[in-house]
Amino acid sequence: AQTVTQSQPEMSVQEAETVTLSCTYDTSESDYYLFWYKQPPSRQMILVIRQEAYKQQNATENRFSVNFQKAAKSFSLKISDSQLGDAAMYFCAYRDNDMRFGAGTRLTVKP
Amino acid sequence: DADVTQTPRNRITKTGKRIMLECSQTKGHDRMYWYRQDPGLGLRLIYYSFDVKDINKGEISDGYSVSRQAQAKFSLSLESAIPNQTALYFCATSDWDTSYGYTFGSGTRLTVV
Repeated sequence: AQTVTQSQPEMSVQEAETVTLSCTYDTSESDYYLFWYKQPPSRQMILVIRQEAYKQQNATENRFSVNFQKAAKSFSLKISDSQLGDAAMYFCAYRDNDMRFGAGTRLTVKP
Repeated sequence: DADVTQTPRNRITKTGKRIMLECSQTKGHDRMYWYRQDPGLGLRLIYYSFDVKDINKGEISDGYSVSRQAQAKFSLSLESAIPNQTALYFCATSDWDTSYGYTFGSGTRLTVV
């Protein structure tokens, strides 16, 4: 079964600085999709960014970008110019038929 | 109205009681899922359904059952609730195209006392 590992239960960053959240996964598939979700205190799950495994180019959405290393099965999320509103739980997820999630990283943003 | 609606938003129930969590969607998606979220464990799949006649167990289905009443409705039942089923429960939907993520409901926080 596919597994997703987030090794950082908690991270903190100073406002306006950059932070990187780590994620690794295990799969024998070659075609799959990877996602980062944000869960603020409202508990809503919000899609931040997605990456197709067959694309070598790293996905970018405004201040959010990923570093996708397919051979290493690594999918980290970089948040640039961190804002107070970025404080949340962040989940990495892998999808082929269904979606598997990591345990999450709680990000704190210090003013 | 939300694309995926879960009811109730919060619920406290007693050990041994039967409880149903409901999910309805207006996305027109065929696929629906139930997950539970626990601190330090992330979201784990309980059951999923690819259409009205298709129900599949996820990784943690023991103690749960589901019903897909229509394309738009997927309910989760705890036949006899126990305290370790205290968790945040999410319903999610998706299109057949696996390149897209899920659309989530706002969650049901269930406490079993």
